[in-house]
Amino acid sequence: LAKTTQPISMDSYEGQEVNITCSHNNIATNDYITWYQQFPSQGPRFIIQGYKTKVTNEVASLFIPADRKSSTLSLPRVSLSDTAVYYCLVAPRGFKTIFGAGTRLFVKA
Amino acid sequence: DTGVSQNPRHKITKRGQNVTFRCDPISEHNRLYWYRQTLGQGPEFLTYFQNEAQLEKSRLLSDRFSAERPKGSFSTLEIQRTEQGDSAMYLCASSQTGGADEKLFFGSGTQLSVL
Repeated sequence: LAKTTQPISMDSYEGQEVNITCSHNNIATNDYITWYQQFPSQGPRFIIQGYKTKVTNEVASLFIPADRKSSTLSLPRVSLSDTAVYYCLVAPRGFKTIFGAGTRLFVKA
Repeated sequence: DTGVSQNPRHKITKRGQNVTFRCDPISEHNRLYWYRQTLGQGPEFLTYFQNEAQLEKSRLLSDRFSAERPKGSFSTLEIQRTEQGDSAMYLCASSQTGGADEKLFFGSGTQLSVL
């Protein structure tokens, strides 16, 4: 199982772009990279998923270099409501899914 | 799509009592997962179902924990003889496929407090 490493916490200000990088050195050929967001007292929410290069949706962008040993979640122009915990998962098959402690993003006014 | 529903949202019980939680997945989803989450930690996988079949239960924390999904729709998680260490958020998730690009949809969880 691919293990992921991401920063424990990050601070930002409203309107800034936030980039959270996740390291997954032993990612397997068939593994996908998935990011979830979790607010207090709620379950995690799917944000974005990718296999290689760049993926963009209405919420975020995901950048994956050619060697796929890391990935970066990019949140454009964050607001206070983006304060949450962000989890990076590799090989998101339920019973093999290991959620680490995630990255606690705190957005300040 | 009404999302994944979990009931109750909160449960307070005394040590030694049995508790049961219910999860209603998204209707067309055939996979259903249970997780436990303690403060400051990510969700910890417990068990999962493919339709009514429980395909992985070795991660259940002890034999006091059991889960069912009798008709492949809703699921229940039961904890017998609760202990204070069982206090946590219990999350349910469902998905439509088990492929490598699987996306999990979570409920809001049941917060259990064992006194």
